[in-house]
Amino acid sequence: EAGVAQSPRYKIIEKRQSVAFWCNPISGHATLYWYQQILGQGPKLLIQFQNNGVVDDSQLPKDRFSAERLKGVDSTLKIQPAKLEDSAVYLCASSLGARGSQETQYFGPGTRLLVL
Amino acid sequence: QQPVQSPQAVILREGEDAVINCSSSKALYSVHWYRQKHGEAPVFLMILLKGGEQKGHEKISASFNEKKQQSSLYLTASQLSYSGTYFCGTTFGANNLFFGTGTRLTVIP
Repeated sequence: EAGVAQSPRYKIIEKRQSVAFWCNPISGHATLYWYQQILGQGPKLLIQFQNNGVVDDSQLPKDRFSAERLKGVDSTLKIQPAKLEDSAVYLCASSLGARGSQETQYFGPGTRLLVL
Repeated sequence: QQPVQSPQAVILREGEDAVINCSSSKALYSVHWYRQKHGEAPVFLMILLKGGEQKGHEKISASFNEKKQQSSLYLTASQLSYSGTYFCGTTFGANNLFFGTGTRLTVIP
């Protein structure tokens, strides 16, 4: 079974530029998550989708971050404009169902973003 | 809402045991344990639901004490492959995971 795919794996941009990350979850997984992991910290949830609807985006900085999951499969996370503090690894995860707290989340390899 | 993990770091020799603790200030519904190796994605170890259950996975097991609002991860007879950062993730009801700051485990020969 193929895992969660993410691209690009690495990205270096200058502050105020925009950047987009792509995620393809495990086939058949209804729920998709985007996390931000700053160096030395645990992952922090940015947004959760169930199929193509947003379940939780309470920790997403909506003035600069946006995400979509069209057709309930792939997802894109965008940052515009980027700030220095956005430097982090952006992890995508997926789970089979919608029972949040009881579901195993499978993580992709992540995209390492460096904002200069 | 972020759980607190202890210790922050631990160094073991192969074959030694370790315990990693995860504590919350709020009542927990479930605890998830993940291991992340440097530069890689977190890998799922196990989920414990409220009810005080204990689970095992080869030589790695965990307990969940609902009253104390904490979980412990037990690694016995550690192997070199156990090295990595261990994260607990906690949920409060049907909500999302809040990950702790992690415990860096290093196993040396």
